[in-house]
Amino acid sequence: KAGVTQTPRYLIKTRGQQVTLSCSPISGHRSVSWYQQTPGQGLQFLFEYFSETQRNKGNFPGRFSGRQFSNSRSEMNVSTLELGDSALYLCASSFLTGELFFGEGSRLTVL
Amino acid sequence: QQQVKQSPQSLIVQKGGISIINCAYENTAFDYFPWYQQFPGKGPALLIAIRPDVSEKKEGRFTISFNKSAKQFSLHIMDSQPGDSATYFCAASPGGYQKVTFGTGTKLQVIP
Repeated sequence: KAGVTQTPRYLIKTRGQQVTLSCSPISGHRSVSWYQQTPGQGLQFLFEYFSETQRNKGNFPGRFSGRQFSNSRSEMNVSTLELGDSALYLCASSFLTGELFFGEGSRLTVL
Repeated sequence: QQQVKQSPQSLIVQKGGISIINCAYENTAFDYFPWYQQFPGKGPALLIAIRPDVSEKKEGRFTISFNKSAKQFSLHIMDSQPGDSATYFCAASPGGYQKVTFGTGTKLQVIP
């Protein structure tokens, strides 16, 4: 069974630009969560989607948005990038509550 | 009330020693407490998890101890090996389809 796939793995943007990250969950998993990982802050929850509906949302500004498609694939978008948005963005899928299966992440650098 | 506090931030243990990482939570609605292990360049992976109806769970060299009254739980790694060197995150969730709250992580280094 293929794992969670995130694309792109690495990207460099400049301040003010916008970025879209993609996540393909494990086949059969309908829940997709997004986390921001930075040194010292650990994993900060962004949002969680289930069957195309956002069920939970973390404490991030409105510049961070996401969506889920009918095939459970998910995208997250960050608009008007700031230097502080530089981080590893992790996507996780799950079948039922409990175990999260993480992808390897998309490392975003904002210059 | 959603916070999970984790300590220490970093830990160096000799090979064969015991590694201990502690976490504390506030939200009494949490009823699922997993630990994730993350190697450099990889996403976190579930290591072991516990629910509050038991005080201890052991899987191989890894043990979770859970103290419901103190709202604390800890990970013990027995006979620590260099291959255990990684970042460990404790986490908690209220069950159901709820978000998982993570601790800030502990970077473990096991030296030969």
